[in-house]
Amino acid sequence: KQEVTQIPAALSVPEGENLVLNCSFTDSAIYNLQWFRQDPGKGLTSLLLIQSSQREQTSGRLNASLDKSSGRSTLYIAASQPGDSATYLCAAPGGSQGNLIFGKGTKLSVKP
Amino acid sequence: DAGVIQSPRHEVTEMGQEVTLRCKPISGHNSLFWYRQTMMRGLELLIYFNNNVPIDDSGMPEDRFSAKMPNASFSTLKIQPSEPRDSAVYFCASSLRELNNEQFFGPGTRLTVL
Repeated sequence: KQEVTQIPAALSVPEGENLVLNCSFTDSAIYNLQWFRQDPGKGLTSLLLIQSSQREQTSGRLNASLDKSSGRSTLYIAASQPGDSATYLCAAPGGSQGNLIFGKGTKLSVKP
Repeated sequence: DAGVIQSPRHEVTEMGQEVTLRCKPISGHNSLFWYRQTMMRGLELLIYFNNNVPIDDSGMPEDRFSAKMPNASFSTLKIQPSEPRDSAVYFCASSLRELNNEQFFGPGTRLTVL
């Protein structure tokens, strides 16, 4: 059964700092992994989808990596800004049926 | 594209009442997912449809919950009768292909059962 863990649960950094969010999963037989952002009281915004054949995916200041063998993914945010403050969720497929298993998220606060 | 549309955005009801949540997936997407988010349990899948057919409803907590997808552009999640422990944010998501494509989420319905 897939389990997804994210550490840290919360992170506070000063503006401009580069940071890394961590995600681990127990079942490495995944075909992709997805990172989301959730603002308070809002829905989830898809940030990056990494296919199992890829090791990295980049979008602007965001870079996500995937290491299936170790059951880990990281989300790297460069030159953080106050607007990056949100909860970041990682999700891995729970099986062959297409459902996603979510981590509890990392709540990021970027201080100006 | 309008994205995934959910209604209502907020629902406050009394225990025992029937609640119906609605979802319109992104046009052309063939998979639709209902999730529930609570502080204690995070995001959990309730049920998922592919081509309007329910594929996995193992996450539906009780018989009080039911979901339908009468056509490719509309789905409902019904709770009857509702209980205070059903209070949560309910999200609908859709994707183009069930296995390899991104899931796109709606804004959610915040349900409060008094």
